[in-house]
Amino acid sequence: GESVGLHLPTLSVQEGDNSIINCAYSNSASDYFIWYKQESGKGPQFIIDIRSNMDKRQGQRVTVLLNKTVKHLSLQIAATQPGDSAVYFCAESPNRDDKIIFGKGTRLHILP
Amino acid sequence: DVKVTQSSRYLVKRTGEKVFLECVQDMDHENMFWYRQDPGLGLRLIYFSYDVKMKEKGDIPEGYSVSREKKERFSLILESASTNQTSMYLCASSTRITEAFFGQGTRLTVV
Repeated sequence: GESVGLHLPTLSVQEGDNSIINCAYSNSASDYFIWYKQESGKGPQFIIDIRSNMDKRQGQRVTVLLNKTVKHLSLQIAATQPGDSAVYFCAESPNRDDKIIFGKGTRLHILP
Repeated sequence: DVKVTQSSRYLVKRTGEKVFLECVQDMDHENMFWYRQDPGLGLRLIYFSYDVKMKEKGDIPEGYSVSREKKERFSLILESASTNQTSMYLCASSTRITEAFFGQGTRLTVV
């Protein structure tokens, strides 16, 4: 069935370094893959998405990579800042429906 | 800025009570969603709606119902609250499939 999961529940990164958050998915039919950020006490916030016909997409300080061969999604954050401390969720949107299915999340912890 | 407002940040209800969680969005979005968030389980979709008076079951609809009488308002109803429905409830709206805007959440405790 559909599932979106993460390799690591917690990731600690030195401030200023690049962060890489990984995600595995199982539904090959999904058309969109998405990353959300949830800060403490807030609802999730959209970061970036990528369509299944793309391998890479860049935003402001973030890059999403999609490897359909191994069903792997990653989010790269350049020059990690204290404000990047949050839980990051990967998600997918199956092409038959307009709903979003979320993974379990990875907590990104920034070391001073 | 898009604003999704959930009526309560914290609620405490008794087992067996009928509970209403209200959500209002101000951006004329067609799509609205209710999720619950539990530690270690991420966000799980309860119900969603693409239009007024329309609803679709998500992954965990049991014990819940919804109402969408107006485009801007999407209500989640717990017909008879149980302790296993203690959770954080998140409402979201969207016009694009992937970019959903979430409210602050309602932390519901059923005692």
